[in-house]
Amino acid sequence: AQKITQTQPGMFVQEKEAVTLDCTYDTSDPSYGLFWYKQPSSGEMIFLIYQGSYDQQNATEGRYSLNFQKARKSANLVISASQLGDSAMYFCAMRGTNFGNEKLTFGTGTRLTIIP
Amino acid sequence: EAGVTQFPSHSVIEKGQTVTLRCDPISGHDNLYWYRRVMGKEIKFLLHFVKESKQDESGMPNNRFLAERTGGTYSTLKVQPAELEDSGVYFCASSRPRDSFNEQFFGPGTRLTVL
Repeated sequence: AQKITQTQPGMFVQEKEAVTLDCTYDTSDPSYGLFWYKQPSSGEMIFLIYQGSYDQQNATEGRYSLNFQKARKSANLVISASQLGDSAMYFCAMRGTNFGNEKLTFGTGTRLTIIP
Repeated sequence: EAGVTQFPSHSVIEKGQTVTLRCDPISGHDNLYWYRRVMGKEIKFLLHFVKESKQDESGMPNNRFLAERTGGTYSTLKVQPAELEDSGVYFCASSRPRDSFNEQFFGPGTRLTVL
């Protein structure tokens, strides 16, 4: 079974500061993928970044980077130079990479509020 | 290319009634997933279609929930009869035929309220 833990229900960050959203995971799968999604107040789920368990380098996508520490089973999302539009719910998720095991397992989410 | 669409965006029904949610995946996406988020809790997987076949329905909570995907295009999720604990946001997602990444694209969700 897979499990995602997000221990920060809410965070307040000053605009232009960097922010780290925590995510730890547990799985018995030898190969897996880790995802971060953003859910603004409008409700849609927006894919942000992906990290494969065998990827050697940490994933980056623009202002988003994933601090992947496999031994610690953590996959924290780092947002650099935060903007007001970054205020949203953020979900960490994972899935196995075996065929037939493609469902995403989500954490409870972190509500990020950027303060002007 | 159009994204995943869901209908209705909101539904308010009384306990015991029936509701049918619809999901139209991105054209060409063989994989279709249903998820649900009950208030304050994590988003939970319900089931996964590959074309018209149910690949994994391990997350379906009980037999009051029925999902179909006739012809491998759009999908419906019917709740009959609805109970109070069924309230939440129901998300649909789709993805391409499997590759190593297999990003799931989500729809905007249907907010279901059972009174």
